[in-house]
Amino acid sequence: GAVVSQHPSRVICKSGTSVKIECRSLDFQATTMFWYRQFPKQSLMLMATSNEGSKATYEQGVEKDKFLINHASLTLSTLTVTSAHPEDSSFYICSARGRPAYNEKLFFGSGTQLSVL
Amino acid sequence: AQTVTQSQPEMSVQEAETVTLSCTYDTSESDYYLFWYKQPPSRQMILVIRQEAYKQQNATENRFSVNFQKAAKSFSLKISDSQLGDAAMYFCAYTIVTGTASKLTFGTGTRLQVTL
Repeated sequence: GAVVSQHPSRVICKSGTSVKIECRSLDFQATTMFWYRQFPKQSLMLMATSNEGSKATYEQGVEKDKFLINHASLTLSTLTVTSAHPEDSSFYICSARGRPAYNEKLFFGSGTQLSVL
Repeated sequence: AQTVTQSQPEMSVQEAETVTLSCTYDTSESDYYLFWYKQPPSRQMILVIRQEAYKQQNATENRFSVNFQKAAKSFSLKISDSQLGDAAMYFCAYTIVTGTASKLTFGTGTRLQVTL
């Protein structure tokens, strides 16, 4: 089956630094990628949707200047948490959907646990 | 707005027994997909089963089956012959069918414990 690689799996950083998380589709072209955030014992909340070659669409309440998303190629999307603060500590998960768009199958990365000190 | 509700925060089942997890959703769309995802302690999201709304037949995948009641907007998951490896968080999810990107809306999840 399709594989989505997410890296790093865990990152600890100091407050004020920026962290980049990568999401790669290894064996298919991902026309659309989604970024989710999950707090402990809670559900996945969609942060943004990115389509290759265009600007990401952010969900209401998500700061686009804080969570920078780039989808420069059909196999790579990145989420950069800028000037991270302790409240940004969370589990971030990406998912990708390949062509054709109608198959509605999403493949998830293994997630990134971000801890901001 | 579409919403997905899972009214059971936690469920417990004995090994080899059957358990049913509940899910209801709210939508004005007629064509959509429903999913059950499993999230084990590794936190990797695993697709358990998928149902297209236009199909009347309930989806089945080995020990997993759904009871899809479109009029009632209900989508429950039945796990038969439960195994220890079934212990996980289970999320019900919904997406509409469109020509462009469509996003998943998740329920709040049900934590399933499997006991000996």
